[in-house]
Amino acid sequence: EVQLVQSGAEVKKPGESLKISCKGSGFSFANQWIAWVRQMPGKGLEWMGVIFPGDSDTRYSPSFQGRVTISADKSISTAYLQWTSLKASDTAMYYCARPTRGGEPPFDNWGQGTLVTVSS
Amino acid sequence: DIVMTQSPDSLAVSLGERATINCKSSQTLLHSSIDKNYLAWYQHKPGQPPKLLFYWASTRASGVPDRFSGSGSGTDFSLTIYNLQAEDVAVYYCQQYYTSPWTFGQGTKMEI
Repeated sequence: EVQLVQSGAEVKKPGESLKISCKGSGFSFANQWIAWVRQMPGKGLEWMGVIFPGDSDTRYSPSFQGRVTISADKSISTAYLQWTSLKASDTAMYYCARPTRGGEPPFDNWGQGTLVTVSS
Repeated sequence: DIVMTQSPDSLAVSLGERATINCKSSQTLLHSSIDKNYLAWYQHKPGQPPKLLFYWASTRASGVPDRFSGSGSGTDFSLTIYNLQAEDVAVYYCQQYYTSPWTFGQGTKMEI
C-alpha cells in the first residue's frame, strides 16, 4: 500500500526556521516524484513544487521559488519542505502528494498534512 | 498562469438529488494531438487530505463510485454527483495540468 506519512504539527515564531518531512512507503521512493501543496486557512490548494528523490531534480512554482526549499533523502525515503525565516503568512496546512505522470499531476496519493502555525 | 474558476462557490443539495459543479479554465486544456483534456477533480473532506476523483477530465480514479461523473472539454468542465449522499459533503477542486504551474480552482463547498 502506498503511504505518505508527514511530520507533526509545528508552532513557530516569525523569523524561525523549519523543516517538515514526508516519508514514503509502499513504492519505489527514489523513482517517484513528490509534490508539495499548500492550503492557507480558509483558502484553496496551491501547488508549491516537486522533487525527484533519485537525483534531487526540483521544480518550483514561481509563487514559491526562493521562499521555500524542497529536498529529499532517498536513503530514508523522505522528502522535506524547509523555510529559513518563517512569516505569519506561512501559516497553513502543507500536504505532500505523489504525482502519477512523472513530476506532473494528477496526484493520486497524499500525506495526511502538516499544520504549520507561525505566530509571535 | 492558467486561471481556474469554479462555480458556484457553494452548493446545497438534498440527499438523493443531483449536484453539478462547473470549472472553467482561462485557456484550453485540450491537447489536440492526443485528444486528452489535462483536468483533474479532487474531493477534500474536513480533516482529511484531498482525494483524486477524476483525471483526463472524465477518467474515474480507482474506488470512486460511479454516481460521480466528470465531463467537458477545452475550457469548460463539470463534475456531477448523482444520488447525493451524506458522505459527499466536502470541498471539490478542479486542477489543470496542461501547463506548469499546476493550478487549482478556488473550490466548491458541497453541503446537504
